[in-house]
Amino acid sequence: NAGVTQTPKFQVLKTGQSMTLQCAQDMNHEYMSWYRQDPGMGLRLIHYSVGAGITDQGEVPNGYNVSRSTTEDFPLRLLSAAPSQTSVYFCASSKGGDEQFFGPGTRLTVL
Amino acid sequence: GENVEQHPSTLSVQEGDSAVIKCTYSDSASNYFPWYKQELGKRPQLIIDIRSNVGEKKDQRIAVTLNKTAKHFSLHITETQPEDSAVYFCAASRNYQLIWGAGTKLIIKP
Repeated sequence: NAGVTQTPKFQVLKTGQSMTLQCAQDMNHEYMSWYRQDPGMGLRLIHYSVGAGITDQGEVPNGYNVSRSTTEDFPLRLLSAAPSQTSVYFCASSKGGDEQFFGPGTRLTVL
Repeated sequence: GENVEQHPSTLSVQEGDSAVIKCTYSDSASNYFPWYKQELGKRPQLIIDIRSNVGEKKDQRIAVTLNKTAKHFSLHITETQPEDSAVYFCAASRNYQLIWGAGTKLIIKP
């Protein structure tokens, strides 16, 4: 099993650009989530999904969209990038909301 | 919504001594409390977790205690070793939403 994979590893955007961060898992986990991690802070939940076709907002959803068309994939879309979205983004999955398995992260810089 | 506070932000201990990190949560409905370890530049990894129907759980040198009445839980690491150096995060969960503390940087002095 590859576990949780994320692409790209690094990304630089200009203000106003849009992009999609990819996340996939091959463990047949129902639950998937997106977090952002800023220096000196814990992880903050952006969006999460409890199954295909079901998504919900976390603590900091503004400026981000998600969809869950399959169990395996959970992409995160930045609609119009802003410098405040510079961060490290982690995707995670779990079987039933318990132990979350994290991807390697995407380091995003918005200029 | 849930709020999780974690203390201290930095903890320096002598190798071989014990380390204790404390967290408090605000939502009495939270029922799952994991602890994650994150090494520099890497992803968080679960080290131990506890559910609200249990007061204490131990796994070798690591233990977690939970006081539901006071809404706080703690991580205890005994006989610390250099490889324990990392940032440790607590979290509280209700209905699949994990809310995280700000993290504790644990430094093990030789």
